[in-house]
Amino acid sequence: GQNIDQPTEMTATEGAIVQINCTYQTSGFNGLFWYQQHAGEAPTFLSYNVLDGLEEKGRFSSFLSRSKGYSYLLLKELQMKDSASYLCAVLDSNYQLIWGAGTKLIIKP
Amino acid sequence: TAGITQAPTSQILAAGRSMTLRCTQDMRHNAMYWYRQDLGLGLRLIHYSNTAGTTGKGEVPDGYSVSRANTDDFPLTLASAVPSQTSVYFCASSETTGGGYTFGSGTRLTVV
Repeated sequence: GQNIDQPTEMTATEGAIVQINCTYQTSGFNGLFWYQQHAGEAPTFLSYNVLDGLEEKGRFSSFLSRSKGYSYLLLKELQMKDSASYLCAVLDSNYQLIWGAGTKLIIKP
Repeated sequence: TAGITQAPTSQILAAGRSMTLRCTQDMRHNAMYWYRQDLGLGLRLIHYSNTAGTTGKGEVPDGYSVSRANTDDFPLTLASAVPSQTSVYFCASSETTGGGYTFGSGTRLTVV
């Protein structure tokens, strides 16, 4: 079966750095996405990785290791508005997105 | 503003009744999707359409039907609602199959 694992909930302090991990086992791999979802709102696109390595975009970076079936999302200089759920999703061999259940990130002052 | 429009925003529906959730996009995206999101389970694909005139079943299609008569519209129909269909429903689209998704704002459905 196909499976994506991410922690259910994490807590971090404003101004700090947090790393949200995602491991996956899917039938094929055509890329990995990270989405942000604020409570009561739709998911919004953050990043896309298809090759190994780190992709940096402002305060957010995403890393991929295909051999390990592993990705992380790194958030720097945390702000209160970063409190949200972060969804990891993998594009499988049929080009269908398989979604993790999401990590709820709580930012404390 | 370009994007995806879903209607209604929320609905309370009596069990056994039928209902159609509407989804319209103005980005001329080829692929469209319907998901349900339940607490602790993440997004689950109900049906999808890779291009106008074609549809396919996702992970949880039972009790739902879709049509894709044109590029812009992708309605989801519940023929006879049951309480287990209480959920938040998101419509999404992507320019190509496998591209990044744009989501609508969601429909919160409660079946009683």
